[in-house]
Amino acid sequence: GQNIDQPTEMTATEGAIVQINCTYQTSGFNGLFWYQQHAGEAPTFLSYNVLDGLEEKGRFSSFLSRSKGYSYLLLKELQMKDSASYLCAVAAYNQGGKLIFGQGTELSVKP
Amino acid sequence: EPEVTQTPSHQVTQMGQEVILRCVPISNHLYFYWYRQILGQKVEFLVSFYNNEISEKSEIFDDQFSVERPDGSNFTLKIRSTKLEDSAMYFCASRVPSDRAKGGYTFGSGTRLTVV
Repeated sequence: GQNIDQPTEMTATEGAIVQINCTYQTSGFNGLFWYQQHAGEAPTFLSYNVLDGLEEKGRFSSFLSRSKGYSYLLLKELQMKDSASYLCAVAAYNQGGKLIFGQGTELSVKP
Repeated sequence: EPEVTQTPSHQVTQMGQEVILRCVPISNHLYFYWYRQILGQKVEFLVSFYNNEISEKSEIFDDQFSVERPDGSNFTLKIRSTKLEDSAMYFCASRVPSDRAKGGYTFGSGTRLTVV
């Protein structure tokens, strides 16, 4: 079966750090994506991890542990504009290349 | 930066009517996808297309749905007889495995389909 779990919603304060976790169980794995999505818009690419470890890109970092089926997205120096839904998605390239998405984590950044 | 273009951005149709959603993938991409997102729900895979044929489809992609790449550039999703529950955002995506920077995937901006 295919299952991706992430918290439904989180709240954090402007300027703080927040970590959004994602666990997955998929029958194929070829990388894990994090996307940001504002209401009514398309997902915007944030990160892609295919090997274990931490990938850092400005205020955003993403971590992957394939053995644990676990990833997190770390957002530093939170800004109000970071309020959005954050989507974890697993690439199952041995199944035609589709992405399997989690439910998304709705992040609210408060002053 | 190359984009995946989707038209129209918003379509309203009556139940039972046929709709065609259009996508222009990035020219050197090889794999094409349709996803949908019902309001408040997760993004769901519909179908993948490679080498001019469907490579995988989900349970959602029943006989009411079809895809075509009629002219080598456009990639279309047709819904033959729309139902109220087809109301959703439909996203087209294309992929080239060599683009490691974004995991190869590029999404279009979406078409909001409203069935009334």
